[in-house]
Amino acid sequence: AQSVTQLGSHVSVSEGALVLLRCNYSSSVPPYLFWYVQYPNQGLQLLLKYTSAATLVKGINGFEAEFKKSETSFHLTKPSAHMSDAAEYFCAVSDRGSEKLVFGKGMKLTVNP
Amino acid sequence: DGGITQSPKYLFRKEGQNVTLSCEQNLNHDAMYWYRQDPGQGLRLIYYSQIVNDFQKGDIAEGYSVSREKKESFPLTVTSAQKNPTAFYLCASSQPGLRNEQYFGPGTRLTVT
Repeated sequence: AQSVTQLGSHVSVSEGALVLLRCNYSSSVPPYLFWYVQYPNQGLQLLLKYTSAATLVKGINGFEAEFKKSETSFHLTKPSAHMSDAAEYFCAVSDRGSEKLVFGKGMKLTVNP
Repeated sequence: DGGITQSPKYLFRKEGQNVTLSCEQNLNHDAMYWYRQDPGQGLRLIYYSQIVNDFQKGDIAEGYSVSREKKESFPLTVTSAQKNPTAFYLCASSQPGLRNEQYFGPGTRLTVT
């Protein structure tokens, strides 16, 4: 079964620093990959997705992610963190042709002033 | 404005009572989903429906039931058989032809005492 791993549960960065959130998937066939963001007590909002076009995907709020097949990774980055980026971030994977998403356990991002 | 609504935002029930969570969408999406979110566990799929009058069990369906009588609506009933019902419940829907990209409602936080 498809799975996604987000190592750790919490990351803390300073405002203006690089944000790097890691995600690794298990499939041998490139799947669809997603990053979602969740602010406290709210639903999830799609940040970006990879569906086999460009391997470097740009999303909202200055985030981007790079699909690396050789590493089975889809890490999320942002060059300069802003206080408003503090939230929980979920990586999700879906097999092509599947109706379902499988989510990682999430990573809580704290941004320090 | 298109979107997904979930009501109520907070719900309190006594143990042993069934409770129904509402989910309505006006995005004209075919597929709808219910997830349960617990701290540190990511999102787990309860039920999903690809079409009216049809639905499938997800990974943690025990103690839950759903119906899909209308395209716009996918209510979830948390029954007294659910051993640990206190959680944050999220409803999502997906777009025809791009089924893997899911749009989320704001969630309902259910507390059972």
